[in-house]
Amino acid sequence: AQSVTQLDSQVPVFEEAPVELRCNYSSSVSVYLFWYVQYPNQGLQLLLKYLSGSTLVKGINGFEAEFNKSQTSFHLRKPSVHISDTAEYFCAVSAWGSNYKLTFGKGTLLTVNP
Amino acid sequence: EAQVTQNPRYLITVTGKKLTVTCSQNMNHEYMSWYRQDPGLGLRQIYYSMNVEVTDKGDVPEGYKVSRKEKRNFPLILESPSPNQTSLYFCASRGLNTEAFFGQGTRLTVV
Repeated sequence: AQSVTQLDSQVPVFEEAPVELRCNYSSSVSVYLFWYVQYPNQGLQLLLKYLSGSTLVKGINGFEAEFNKSQTSFHLRKPSVHISDTAEYFCAVSAWGSNYKLTFGKGTLLTVNP
Repeated sequence: EAQVTQNPRYLITVTGKKLTVTCSQNMNHEYMSWYRQDPGLGLRQIYYSMNVEVTDKGDVPEGYKVSRKEKRNFPLILESPSPNQTSLYFCASRGLNTEAFFGQGTRLTVV
């Protein structure tokens, strides 16, 4: 079985400040990891993904995440946020191989204030 | 353009009146699934399908049905909706070892 814990349900920051949204996962096998973003009244959009290779993954809108196998973490970072980054962010995990199941965390609401 | 299409986007219905939410994908993905999203609970999987005529329960299947007669379509059926099924629903499709693609969501209110 796999699970995801997003450690912060809400993260308020000021515009142009750096931000880190934390994600830890649990799985008995190797995993794929994803971050999705949901803007108000919209569906889920892929921000970035880790499938294999380099542990530092770059995504859209200036976001990046680092896969840390020893700490079972996949934290999302952005060096300078904008008002338009205000959204809910979901971390998700999927086990390698034929298992398609995607398990989501409960989400982190990022609010960027002027 | 790769997409997952859900309909309707918004639906208000009364308790007990059967309804169907449609979902269609154009990426030839084998795997499709339904999620519901509730505040503070994230996305929880309702049902999934590994291929045509192959469906199975997710984490919260009670009160829902699905079918997969064609690869591209995966409708969600509520035979007798109740107020606790008021939620935001998402359909998703996925290829092996890739990310999931999501529909725009269906906001369902059961009164």
